[in-house]
Amino acid sequence: KAGVTQTPRYLIKTRGQQVTLSCSPISGHRSVSWYQQTPGQGLQFLFEYFSETQRNKGNFPGRFSGRQFSNSRSEMNVSTLELGDSALYLCASSESGTGVFGYTFGSGTRLTVV
Amino acid sequence: GESVGLHLPTLSVQEGDNSIINCAYSNSASDYFIWYKQESGKGPQFIIDIRSNMDKRQGQRVTVLLNKTVKHLSLQIAATQPGDSAVYFCAERPGGGADGLTFGKGTHLIIQP
Repeated sequence: KAGVTQTPRYLIKTRGQQVTLSCSPISGHRSVSWYQQTPGQGLQFLFEYFSETQRNKGNFPGRFSGRQFSNSRSEMNVSTLELGDSALYLCASSESGTGVFGYTFGSGTRLTVV
Repeated sequence: GESVGLHLPTLSVQEGDNSIINCAYSNSASDYFIWYKQESGKGPQFIIDIRSNMDKRQGQRVTVLLNKTVKHLSLQIAATQPGDSAVYFCAERPGGGADGLTFGKGTHLIIQP
C-alpha cells in the first residue's frame, strides 16, 4: 500500500511569487490535512480537507489556501511568498478525517523562499 | 501559542537503557493523543496513540501513559536502540474530531553507544 506522496520534494521560489504543492493520500483515505514545520514555530496546522470540503483552518493568513479533488488528492497554494514562508510543508491523510485510525504523514515539501 | 509542550529539548541515553520522553498539554478537552518520531529528512512517523478514556497503552517496546489529572503524557521506549535516534513529538487533537493536531516542540533523543 503506497504511503502519502508529496510533490515536489524541494522547491526554491522568489519572494512575491506563488507556489502550489501537491499531496496524494493513501488510497481510500478521504481526509488530507496540511502542516507547516519551521525550527522556530514547530509543526503548525494549516487546514484540513474532507470529501473536497475544507473542514477546519488554522491560524494562517489568507495567502495560504488549498483544495481537494474528487480523488482525494489535495493541493495547497501560497501566494505572494514571503521569506518567512520558508518551511517544510507536510500533509497527512486519514481514513475518516476524525483521526480515528491515525494520521499518516508524507515526507514533505521543502520550500525555500529567496 | 502552543498548547502542547515538551519538558526537554534534548534527551541523551545509553544504548540499551530505557528512555522516557515527557509532554504537557493544556487543553483538557483533547480526546486523542499521538506520539510521532521524525528522522532527518522525513515526515513524522506514527509511533503510538492513546484516547482520553485510557491511561496506558503498550506497543512494541513503547508505552504511552496519560495522566489527565495533571495533563501529562509520556512515551517510554524500552531497550533504546541506535535506530531510535530522532526527534519525538507529542500531538493532541482537540475534541470534536475535525480540528487539526496541535504538536509540541519536540524532544531530540540521542543514543549514546
